[in-house]
Amino acid sequence: GAGVSQSPSNKVTEKGKDVELRCDPISGHTALYWYRQRLGQGLEFLIYFQGNSAPDKSGLPSDRFSAERTGESVSTLTIQRTQQEDSAVYLCASNPVESTSYNEQFFGPGTRLTVL
Amino acid sequence: GEDVEQSLFLSVREGDSSVINCTYTDSSSTYLYWYKQEPGAGLQLLTYIFSNMDMKQDQRLTVLLNKKDKHLSLRIADTQTGDSAIYFCAESMRGTGRRALTFGSGTRLQVQP
Repeated sequence: GAGVSQSPSNKVTEKGKDVELRCDPISGHTALYWYRQRLGQGLEFLIYFQGNSAPDKSGLPSDRFSAERTGESVSTLTIQRTQQEDSAVYLCASNPVESTSYNEQFFGPGTRLTVL
Repeated sequence: GEDVEQSLFLSVREGDSSVINCTYTDSSSTYLYWYKQEPGAGLQLLTYIFSNMDMKQDQRLTVLLNKKDKHLSLRIADTQTGDSAIYFCAESMRGTGRRALTFGSGTRLQVQP
């Protein structure tokens, strides 16, 4: 079956513009995560969606960042008034969180965002 | 707070064993993970270990966990050029109900022919 997909794969934008990144999780996966990976660094948690529960937004770095998810499907991450420090790879992951065992997250290939 | 640390770079010759080390701070971690990231690709789960285990072996991979020292290692036997990648150690967050993972900064493994 299809894995997690993300679009676009690359995005170059000018400082101050808004961008929207999309994630299509694996069908049936109720949990969806967004992470940010700056060059040469590990992944930083941004936001977590689980079914119809209120999302965990505790990782969002500023109010310029927001995310939505429609039911248990597509999610969009929006960055308003982009800054150069927003340049990074944005990774999406999903998993069937009903499992109480190990929390394997399935990652998409990421969107590389470059803010000029 | 949670923090996961790894060395940045490791270079080995093909056929040798590789050992990638990781330290973590959250003693309540339930699971610890090793992910592999190849150029242009997403992260792929390699293996994981439950916190009540000391060792886990899976083909060429051996994971060792020292809970007292909060030290995790990944040993790759008979390292191949296809093992060249960035390896991330990760732990499950606890206490908040959040299931996101805390990742280290990654160790770049370079395998020389």
